[in-house]
Amino acid sequence: DTGVSQDPRHKITKRGQNVTFRCDPISEHNRLYWYRQTLGQGPEFLTYFQNEAQLEKSRLLSDRFSAERPKGSFSTLEIQRTEQGDSAMYLCASSRRGDGINQPQHFGDGTRLSIL
Amino acid sequence: GQQLNQSPQSMFIQEGEDVSMNCTSSSIFNTWLWYKQDPGEGPVLLIALYKAGELTSNGRLTAQFGITRKDSFLNISASIPSDVGIYFCAGQALFGNEKLTFGTGTRLTIIP
Repeated sequence: DTGVSQDPRHKITKRGQNVTFRCDPISEHNRLYWYRQTLGQGPEFLTYFQNEAQLEKSRLLSDRFSAERPKGSFSTLEIQRTEQGDSAMYLCASSRRGDGINQPQHFGDGTRLSIL
Repeated sequence: GQQLNQSPQSMFIQEGEDVSMNCTSSSIFNTWLWYKQDPGEGPVLLIALYKAGELTSNGRLTAQFGITRKDSFLNISASIPSDVGIYFCAGQALFGNEKLTFGTGTRLTIIP
C-alpha cells in the first residue's frame, strides 16, 4: 500500500512568516496524528483526528498552531508567525480504527522546518 | 513533554553481535511499540506488543512487554550493517487514548 505522504519535505523560512504543511494518510486509515521531533529527541504528540474531528490537542500546540482535516482525508498543519523554537521535524502518522486494541501508527518521512 | 527512559543512549558494536535495549516508564502502558528511524526519515514500525508478558519476534528482532506494564525490551540478534539507526520505544496508555509517548532513543552504530 502507499504509505503516509508529507509535503514539503523541507521548508526554510524567515522568522515571523506563516507556513503550512500537508499530510496524506494511508487511504483506509481514519485516524491521523501530528508529532514534532527536535534534534536528539523522540517525537512528541501534537494533535490527532478521527475522520474530520480533532479529538485531542497537546499543550505543545500553542495558539499559533492550527491543524485541520476538512474532509477526513488529508490534513494540514499551519504555524503562524513562526519563531526560532519552531524549528523541528513535523511528523504525520495514521492508523485505522482499532477493534478493541490500539492499531499501530505508521509515520511519514516528515517535514523539516528551519527558521532563519 | 514526557519522554520514556530508554537505555543505553548509544551502542557501538561489531557486525554479528547481539544487541539489547530497554525502555522504562513511571506509568502503565497498555500497548508498547518499537520503531527504527534512519536520518532524514520518519520512524518505521518494527514490533507492536499488546499484552503484559507478551514476547513477539520479527525476523532477527524480538521484543517483550514487561509484566509490570512499565517496561519493554528489544533484542536484535546477529546484527548487520542495515541495523544502524536510532531505535525508539513508544507507549500508549489506554485503548482509545491515541497519544504515543516516545522514549529518548538508542543510537546503534556498527563498527567495521
